[in-house]
Amino acid sequence: SAVISQKPSRDICQRGTSLTIQCQVDSQVTMMFWYRQQPGQSLTLIATANQGSEATYESGFVIDKFPISRPNLTFSTLTVSNMSPEDSSIYLCSVEWRAIILFGQGTRLTVV
Amino acid sequence: DQQVKQNSPSLSVQEGRISILNCDYTNSMFDYFLWYKKYPAEGPTFLISISSIKDKNEDGRFTVFLNKSAKHLSLHIVPSQPGDSAVYFCAVRNYGGSQGNLIFGKGTKLSVKP
Repeated sequence: SAVISQKPSRDICQRGTSLTIQCQVDSQVTMMFWYRQQPGQSLTLIATANQGSEATYESGFVIDKFPISRPNLTFSTLTVSNMSPEDSSIYLCSVEWRAIILFGQGTRLTVV
Repeated sequence: DQQVKQNSPSLSVQEGRISILNCDYTNSMFDYFLWYKKYPAEGPTFLISISSIKDKNEDGRFTVFLNKSAKHLSLHIVPSQPGDSAVYFCAVRNYGGSQGNLIFGKGTKLSVKP
């Protein structure tokens, strides 16, 4: 199956700063997604990263807070902007691969 | 309100016995159901799925059962092995959304004891 690599795997950031998470896939994929898992909660879809156009955000998530880039069919970035402690979560990149949704290993973000 | 519920946060089973993980959902329009397994510091790994036109799907030691009238699905692992110890997430495809628009339960932590 497709291999998904996320960077960084973890980070500790100061409140008010921004962090950009990178997601690289070893195969071209049409659909890429970003999920969040807050402590003790289930995974929640943030947005669908569309190649060559603006991302499609789910209810409760906005572009100013979570800007997403998708320059080609193998790469995407998610930025968590102006971070607060409430943004401390695991952020996961995922792709649709042969009708299955695959996930990267996640980025564990702690905001202090 | 949660649309996908896994009411057991944890489950402990003896090696070789059957593990049964349960999941309930609220919307009868959901048409595709998935189970993922997650080890610490790793992303979720796809295990098995089932479409709403079926009531059972089997893959090796893993079987998923779907009871549409009860809006309930379960994952059976037989026989359970210590390497199965992980958090198991139930997910449903959110109808009308993209393929990747999955709604997850909170997970059940399975411990298989040797």
